[in-house]
Amino acid sequence: EAQVTQNPRYLITVTGKKLTVTCSQNMNHEYMSWYRQDPGLGLRQIYYSMNVEVTDKGDVPEGYKVSRKEKRNFPLILESPSPNQTSLYFCASSLWDNSYEQYFGPGTRLTVT
Amino acid sequence: AQSVAQPEDQVNVAEGNPLTVKCTYSVSGNPYLFWYVQYPNRGLQFLLKYITGDNLVKGSYGFEAEFNKSQTSFHLKKPSALVSDSALYFCAVASNDYKLSFGAGTTVTVRA
Repeated sequence: EAQVTQNPRYLITVTGKKLTVTCSQNMNHEYMSWYRQDPGLGLRQIYYSMNVEVTDKGDVPEGYKVSRKEKRNFPLILESPSPNQTSLYFCASSLWDNSYEQYFGPGTRLTVT
Repeated sequence: AQSVAQPEDQVNVAEGNPLTVKCTYSVSGNPYLFWYVQYPNRGLQFLLKYITGDNLVKGSYGFEAEFNKSQTSFHLKKPSALVSDSALYFCAVASNDYKLSFGAGTTVTVRA
């Protein structure tokens, strides 16, 4: 089954404790992206990647890191989480043929206390 | 910079009535426009897109949207709403910089 998977789905952590949210897709997509969803703000792009070893900042990259060492994986790293990073995070992927039709993962709900 | 506005936080309609969800956009260059839907506790699902061609595009689940360049709008429509259409709807715009920008979302409630 074609899908984007994220782990964990739910995470409660404390300020300053490094964490990684994994994202994996099995559709051989070139493009992958991370978003955060906050009430009243919709989805805001954190980082995106056009292909292996190619990443770029989205609209809200501060406090986040990403890497793209393999085509299928695009982990999101919070080196020192803070309470304002409490949010619902989505990973997405797509082919890069101008379609922009992105496939979204199920989401990771992160709470930082 | 590109942006999307969804002027209504909520839209309430009765089942069987027409449903419209409004979207306006701002982008440099030719716009690529999209609608996504999010059901409770789920990720977003693609509904439809406008890249080029006919201004009226048809998508999944009986939805359609009309691109209006002069009004910079891309409203989502369904002629006869179902209770199962109740969800959160997002409009999105992209241009040639590989970035997809989403609106804040509109919650649609269809009452039986």
